[in-house]
Amino acid sequence: DAKTTQPTSMDCAEGRAANLPCNHSTISGNEYVYWYRQIHSQGPQYIIHGLKNNETNEMASLIITEDRKSSTLILPHATLRDTAVYYCIVRVHFTDKLIFGTGTRLQVFP
Amino acid sequence: DAGVIQSPRHEVTEMGQEVTLRCKPISGHNSLFWYRQTMMRGLELLIYFNNNVPIDDSGMPEDRFSAKMPNASFSTLKIQPSEPRDSAVYFCASSSGTGAYGYTFGSGTRLTVV
Repeated sequence: DAKTTQPTSMDCAEGRAANLPCNHSTISGNEYVYWYRQIHSQGPQYIIHGLKNNETNEMASLIITEDRKSSTLILPHATLRDTAVYYCIVRVHFTDKLIFGTGTRLQVFP
Repeated sequence: DAGVIQSPRHEVTEMGQEVTLRCKPISGHNSLFWYRQTMMRGLELLIYFNNNVPIDDSGMPEDRFSAKMPNASFSTLKIQPSEPRDSAVYFCASSSGTGAYGYTFGSGTRLTVV
């Protein structure tokens, strides 16, 4: 079973920051947080991952709380092409399994 | 890099027929995964391989489903006999290492069993 809880859907205006929350209150110390997104009919796409520290790459930033029980994915300047389902996943270290939950459907509007 | 390659992209078959889905992982990746996606159940992990060996097949729904990975560059997912409830999009993904590396997914095979 997925170990994360996400809102079902969110809206964001184009050009604004999209902040997608995720709760993972049962996360263990060696478990990574991964974020993927799935644009309609395509395979899921890797966005970013982290363990304890905040992370940033060309796509997004990942903010993990100090107790690691929650995290936020930030798309700094959302575009219409960012409309997708975003999945927050906890992955056990030293295993390869990613168990997807239901995700958040982000709608970016003009 | 061509990414993870799946074939066919679409498959329509009659109930009772055998269906074989194919996947070519990214060269150098040592883990391969098969997922199934439906509206009702979302993305489900069916089975995954590490270094061509099946590690966890607990997600395989029943004996009608089988998966093989004869070498590092090829895997198949077979359904025999197929049923209408098997209709779904089947994704293959590959990754390298554990813990710190993400998956790369293929474009999927949309299976329709009539």
